[in-house]
Amino acid sequence: KNQVEQSPQSLIILEGKNCTLQCNYTVSPFSNLRWYKQDTGRGPVSLTIMTFSENTKSNGRYTATLDADTKQSSLHITASQLSDSASYICVVSASMGGGADGLTFGKGTHLIIQP
Amino acid sequence: EAGVTQFPSHSVIEKGQTVTLRCDPISGHDNLYWYRRVMGKEIKFLLHFVKESKQDESGMPNNRFLAERTGGTYSTLKVQPAELEDSGVYFCASSQDPRDDYGYTFGSGTRLTVV
Repeated sequence: KNQVEQSPQSLIILEGKNCTLQCNYTVSPFSNLRWYKQDTGRGPVSLTIMTFSENTKSNGRYTATLDADTKQSSLHITASQLSDSASYICVVSASMGGGADGLTFGKGTHLIIQP
Repeated sequence: EAGVTQFPSHSVIEKGQTVTLRCDPISGHDNLYWYRRVMGKEIKFLLHFVKESKQDESGMPNNRFLAERTGGTYSTLKVQPAELEDSGVYFCASSQDPRDDYGYTFGSGTRLTVV
């Protein structure tokens, strides 16, 4: 069964600090892994998309890593800002399986940035 | 360019009543997806339209849920009669191609509460 597990479930850090969110998956056959940011009351917005051959991808202060051998990914946020407070969802796309769209979602990490 | 639009943003109804959710995809996007997130759980796939045709509705929970996409433009998701377990956030997403990973866009969702 395809699954995506994220940790921690929630995280509180001070503004300006860095943090790293984790994602482990058992999705096969793997197509790509995405990190989404979901602000309260809004839909998920894509931060990064990584394919099998990509180890690292950055989007501003967000850096995602992928280890396809261990089936792990991380999202590192540098110099956090209050606007980073949101849920961060790891989504793995399979060539088949998952929903008919091939996507398996994690439950997300709820990140709170405190001033 | 307008994004994926959903309304209402919130709906509170009594058990046994009927509710209709609407999704307007990005213009020109043939593929439209419905998802649901129940509290404490991950986002899960409900169904996929290609234009006006249901490509896959394997994620629909039961026959109380009816989705339509007349003319291949906007889509509606009707729940009749609503039950308490139907409460959650219903997301819609659209894309131009079936596996257009980079052009996959979510709406802000409809929060449905059944009391």
